[in-house]
Amino acid sequence: GAVVSQHPSWVICKSGTSVKIECRSLDFQATTMFWYRQFPKQSLMLMATSNEGSKATYEQGVEKDKFLINHASLTLSTLTVTSAHPEDSSFYICSATGTSHTYEQYFGPGTRLTVT
Amino acid sequence: GENVEQHPSTLSVQEGDSAVIKCTYSDSASNYFPWYKQELGKRPQLIIDIRSNVGEKKDQRIAVTLNKTAKHFSLHITETQPEDSAVYFCAANDYKLSFGAGTTVTVRA
Repeated sequence: GAVVSQHPSWVICKSGTSVKIECRSLDFQATTMFWYRQFPKQSLMLMATSNEGSKATYEQGVEKDKFLINHASLTLSTLTVTSAHPEDSSFYICSATGTSHTYEQYFGPGTRLTVT
Repeated sequence: GENVEQHPSTLSVQEGDSAVIKCTYSDSASNYFPWYKQELGKRPQLIIDIRSNVGEKKDQRIAVTLNKTAKHFSLHITETQPEDSAVYFCAANDYKLSFGAGTTVTVRA
């Protein structure tokens, strides 16, 4: 149980275009979803936290107009990278917590974004 | 916010030996301390976690200790095997996780 999927697993886009990444909880209702970014050989950095039906809360330094997060249902959150630039190339990982009020976060497999 | 420091950044051990990774945290309100193993290009995999009301937890070859007074916690891997080679991250907090910088563990056969 507690499976989280992401789509796509990898994407290449041209500079200036937008890319949408989906994060789905397959077998549980995700009350909260988190979006992380991980650059090569670095740690996971939290970008934003989203609760179903509410606006996402962004971490300091993360541009909310550039990284649009939508959490429209208890099983789906999307991250849209708008006007992507090469420096946005990274590994984007989502995670989710369920309604059981435990602290454990269930991670998706990640999306490798390359902006050319 | 929470600040988690992790040491060492790299660790090379002989197969069969033990590996120890240490982390410190800054927020005394943190209640949850998970450890993750991440292989290249893969998602972080939870290997063990501990909550603030417990001082030690063990799962086969893996153990975690927590000292809330000193605000540090450690991961211990005994009888290391080549498949233990990976990057290990500690994290702290409850609602939002703050991650350490990671430790690259290499187990030499």
